[in-house]
Formats: sequence, structure tokens, C-alpha cells
Amino acid sequence: EVQLVQSGAEVKKPGESLKISCKGSGYDFTNYWIGWVRQMPGKGLEWVGIIFPGDSDTRYSPSFQGQVTISADKSITTAYLQWSSLKASDTGMYYCARPYNWGDRAAFGYWGQGTLVTVSS
Amino acid sequence: QSALTQPPSASGSPGQSVTISCTGTSSDVGGYDYVSWYQQHPGKAPKLMIYDVTKRPSGVPDRFSGSKSGNTASLTVSGLQADDEADYYCSAYAGPQHLGMFGGGTKLTVL
Repeated sequence: EVQLVQSGAEVKKPGESLKISCKGSGYDFTNYWIGWVRQMPGKGLEWVGIIFPGDSDTRYSPSFQGQVTISADKSITTAYLQWSSLKASDTGMYYCARPYNWGDRAAFGYWGQGTLVTVSS
Repeated sequence: QSALTQPPSASGSPGQSVTISCTGTSSDVGGYDYVSWYQQHPGKAPKLMIYDVTKRPSGVPDRFSGSKSGNTASLTVSGLQADDEADYYCSAYAGPQHLGMFGGGTKLTVL
């Protein structure tokens, strides 16, 4: 069974750093893209970026380029999303997701439970 | 890249059909047969309902169907049920140098 299990909720202050995780299991972690999606409170879905753990090929949405870093550790089948200096506007739910089919990068059929990030002074 | 355009709301009575549209451009919706639809209930993660314009993942009822004409894709929910009440998001592929993009979402209300 494909599972994506994300790390727990975080409460941080502006300027602090943060790294959240997404552990994949039940499939070949190195051969599927993993994406990160943000949902701000009461708002819609936004792509943050995606990574192919097999070779660490990473793409970012223009809105998030330079604001976050996506990485993956194949040895522990875990992907990460990190910030070096959080802003209040980073507050939101962050989901990781995996494509439904191998080779796909367009339809994400498996989702983590979400990590709520709250940034407040 | 701009988000895809969806109506903010849609509604229908139990048993009826409702169609939600998703309008993009020739660079995304119109350019590839890679349109997906997601259902999201409050407090839950999104769920893939349709991919590659018309295909249903295993376990998704055939009451959900997808189509595309030009730069507009559509999701039709037939035989509306109370549990279909949720937010629906379309997503489209925009080429190898781009990530996918989402629509703004449509809140479906079952009257």
C-alpha cells in the first residue's frame, strides 16, 4: 500500500528556520516524483515544487523559487521542504503528493495527511 | 503562469447532474491531454478523481466523468449524493519546463 506520512504541525516565529518531512513507503521511492502543495487558510491549492528522488531533479513554482528548498534522502525514503527564514505569509497547510502512475508528473493520486505550519510572532 | 479559471460555486439537488468548468489556454489545458480533477472535503487532503482528462483512478465511481473541448475542461458529477459536497480543483500540465497548475477551486453544494 502506497503511503506518504508527513511530520507534525509546527508553530514558528518569523525569521526562524524549518524543515518538514514526507516519508514514502509501499513503492519504489526513487522512481516517482514527489510534489509539495501549499494551501493557505481558506484558500486554494498551489504548487510549491517537485523532486525526483532518483536523481534529485527539482523544479520550483516561480512564486516559491528562492523561498524554499526541496530535497530528498533516498536512503530513508523521505522528502523534505525547508525554509531558512519563515514569514507570516508562509502560514498554511503543506501537502506532499505522489503521481498516480509511474512516469507521470501531472496527476497526483497519493497524498500525505498534510503538515500545518503556523508562523506568528 | 496564471491559475486556471473555475466558477467559485456550483450546486445541484440529489440525483441531478452538475458540470464544473476549468478554462486555461492553448499552453496548458488545450495543449495536452493531462487535465486532472481533485475533490477535497473540509480538513482532508485532496483526492484524485479524474486524470488524463477522462480516466478514473481505481475506486472512483463512474458518476464522475471528465471531458475537454479546446481550452476548457469539464468535470461532470451525475446522480449527485450528499457526500459529493466538497471543493473541486482542476489541474493541468503545462509542459516539461513547468509544474502543473491548479484552478481556483469550485465549491459544490448539494441542495
